[in-house]
Formats: sequence, structure tokens, C-alpha cells
Amino acid sequence: DPKIIQKPKYLVAVTGSEKILICEQYLGHNAMYWYRQSAKKPLEFMFSYSYQKLMDNQTASSRFQPQSSKKNHLDLQITALKPDDSATYFCASSQEADTQYFGPGTRLLVL
Amino acid sequence: QQKVQQSPESLSVPEGGMASFNCTSSDRNFQYFWWYRQHSGEGPKALMSIFSDGDKKEGRFTAHLNKASLHVSLHIRDSQPSDSALYFCAAALTGNTRKLIFGLGTTLQVQP
Repeated sequence: DPKIIQKPKYLVAVTGSEKILICEQYLGHNAMYWYRQSAKKPLEFMFSYSYQKLMDNQTASSRFQPQSSKKNHLDLQITALKPDDSATYFCASSQEADTQYFGPGTRLLVL
Repeated sequence: QQKVQQSPESLSVPEGGMASFNCTSSDRNFQYFWWYRQHSGEGPKALMSIFSDGDKKEGRFTAHLNKASLHVSLHIRDSQPSDSALYFCAAALTGNTRKLIFGLGTTLQVQP
């Protein structure tokens, strides 16, 4: 059974719209993260949460808002979508600062 | 300039051969390193962590860290076609921080 679930797997959106990317982890970890992977760029850290509290935010734009409704959930809301937001978004989790485990990703295409 | 640089960009080895990956950090504050690999269409999967100078061996995988030269390497012996993937080096500043800085990766192709 997958330990980190990301939904949806693929997402097509129009410019200016809003989407929510879902992430649930069943590893019992207390920390969760979002990373973005774009072509020709390294995996880019976006946010980290620990015990449902924001620890680090490296995203310059307020259009990206993480939401933690439960301790094993960390969703990512993206508003006013732009074509440059097209990327694969990965959720990850860890126990404290130990090794991070990544989900399968959500591939977002903004037209 | 990227803080974590990887070489080579791509690598091809015969089945059963040795694959070697290099990673150099430009920030001396990085103290903790991981190797991840990513198969096409999947998320990155952690292979090994290394925090102390010297070698660390896990099965067919050996990592080496030299903090003085800011260099970390990964070696895979007896490479298998299933090892064909994108390999990433990732670094973190301290044990308490959870922000991983990734390199661009090295693509490995193992030829049957």
C-alpha cells in the first residue's frame, strides 16, 4: 500500500484558475514538505511543516498556500495559476529531521 | 550558482559494472547529505544518508563524504538495468533543518 498519497496524479488547469493538490502520509511522521520539480531545474524546496505548524517557507509568491487540516495531511492551494507554475509537485514526510520520503507527485500543466 | 553541483550529467555502464556519481557543495555549512534516485514517472526515493567523513556501505551502494573538500560520492557496484534512473545528491544545513537542497542529478543508463 502506498505510504504517501498524492491526488490527483495529473492536473490540467487554465491560467488564472485555482487548484488544490492533496497529500496524505501514513508513515506516522511529524514533518511534511512540498517540493517542486521543473524541467532543467533541481528539485526546489517550497514549504516544511512540523506538528502542523509552518517551519520554513521558501516560496516567494503568496499564491502558494499550504493547508494542514490533519497531522498527516498537507495540501497545497495554488491561486491565480500561471503557465510558469507548470511542474511536478512532490509531497514528502519525515520523522523529525530524518530522511524524507517522497510521494509519487502531482503533474500540473497550466494552459 | 547552484549550491549543490553534480557530475557527470549522464552516465552509461554495462550490466555488472560500477557506476560512480559525484557531488560538490559550494556551502561549507552543509553538514548532512543524502542520495536519492528517481525512476521515470515516480517520486525520488532515498538511497542513503551520510553525515560523517569516510565511507558508508549499504549492500551494493557505497557513499563517501569528505567535508574538508565539500565532496560526496556514490558508487554502485554490480549495476543492474533496474538501477537505470536519475540520481540526486541532496544537502541540508544542520540536523534540525528540514530544507533539502538538491543537485540537478545524474542520469544513469545500465546497458544489459
